[in-house]
Amino acid sequence: DSGVTQTPKHLITATGQRVTLRCSPRSGDLSVYWYQQSLDQGLQFLIQYYNGEERAKGNILERFSAQQFPDLHSELNLSSLELGDSALYFCASSVSGASSYEQYFGPGTRLTVT
Amino acid sequence: TQLLEQSPQFLSIQEGENLTVYCNSSSVFSSLQWYRQEPGEGPVLLVTVVTGGEVKKLKRLTFQFGDARKDSSLHITAAQPGDTGLYLCAGYMDSNYQLIWGAGTKLIIKP
Repeated sequence: DSGVTQTPKHLITATGQRVTLRCSPRSGDLSVYWYQQSLDQGLQFLIQYYNGEERAKGNILERFSAQQFPDLHSELNLSSLELGDSALYFCASSVSGASSYEQYFGPGTRLTVT
Repeated sequence: TQLLEQSPQFLSIQEGENLTVYCNSSSVFSSLQWYRQEPGEGPVLLVTVVTGGEVKKLKRLTFQFGDARKDSSLHITAAQPGDTGLYLCAGYMDSNYQLIWGAGTKLIIKP
């Protein structure tokens, strides 16, 4: 158990819909990272927040947005969903804002868009 | 453009064999991490290498960082079914404060 929690574990929704994925980092960690992993693929970095502020942006679509709240939990919002958005979405946390530090990953949310 | 190339993409071998997977780049990294991801779970950090030429051992796993800090290798001795998983390398670049991920090597060890 990494100490990072993600909800929900599974999500099935239809094209065009909007969903929100939630992540609680490990106690004491200030950074939250969001990743997308399609079937049998590597990790695609989406976005990083550090202590409530956006720190780095990766290959995140304009239809996707994220935020980190004062209690440090984070939400990833996916809108106008397409079939290609079906994937595993991982949240990771680390103690520092520098991404060179060890990242602790949550169990992921499996999103299926039908 | 994939800055970190991992090879092979897929490897299936018998228990007891040795194997090496590679992580290569034309870019210099200040540090490089190796993660293992088991099916249905998030990646877990195995090791971080920082110094060019550095070698780290974790039981039957040996990690090496290239002298020029552009590449790394993971060697597994006498592979076990429990080594099955997706092995991911990730390099940190001081120049842009980004952690760059490889696409992974999917390893299957057959009993």
